Amino acid sequence: AQSVAQPEDQVNVAEGNPLTVKCTYSVSGNPYLFWYVQYPNRGLQFLLKYITGDNLVKGSYGFEAEFNKSQTSFHLKKPSALVSDSALYFCAARGNQGGKLIFGQGTELSVKP
Amino acid sequence: NAGVTQTPKFQVLKTGQSMTLQCAQDMNHEYMSWYRQDPGMGLRLIHYSVGAGITDQGEVPNGYNVSRSTTEDFPLRLLSAAPSQTSVYFCASSPDRDRGYEQYFGPGTRLTVT
Repeated sequence: AQSVAQPEDQVNVAEGNPLTVKCTYSVSGNPYLFWYVQYPNRGLQFLLKYITGDNLVKGSYGFEAEFNKSQTSFHLKKPSALVSDSALYFCAARGNQGGKLIFGQGTELSVKP
Repeated sequence: NAGVTQTPKFQVLKTGQSMTLQCAQDMNHEYMSWYRQDPGMGLRLIHYSVGAGITDQGEVPNGYNVSRSTTEDFPLRLLSAAPSQTSVYFCASSPDRDRGYEQYFGPGTRLTVT
């Protein structure tokens, strides 16, 4: 069965420190991978995606993610966290041979001053 | 572009009542979908459509109906509301389902069933 796992319900980071939000996936075929962010009482906003090509993908607001095929992971990273990055982050995946987009359960990122 | 719009923003229903959640997009996207968001469960797909006149079930379709008479609109109908349908509902659209396009989400409808 296809699945996406975000092993941490919450990640706490001090402002200015690097942050990582973890995601692993299991899909059929080669993966299409996405990160979305949700601010309180808002819809999801697209951050970045991996379809093919370079394993390091850069996205909005200084975020990047690294695709690791052997570890089936797609961790979200940012070199220096901001308080305004505090939000709920969702990883999503689907296989390139079809199938539905599967979301992880979300990780709450809290960045403290 | 307004993007994806949803109405209403909030709704309270009594058990057994029916209602329709509205979703519209002005980006001429072929693919539209409905999700529900519950704490600790991420987003779960209710129904989706790959084009006008075509709909299909997602992973949690029971108790919901959809139709797609135009490219722009994709309403979600609750037939007989139950407390288990208390959730936040998101509509999303994308140019295409099968290629690597990201989805664009509406602001959500927060539904409470008492």
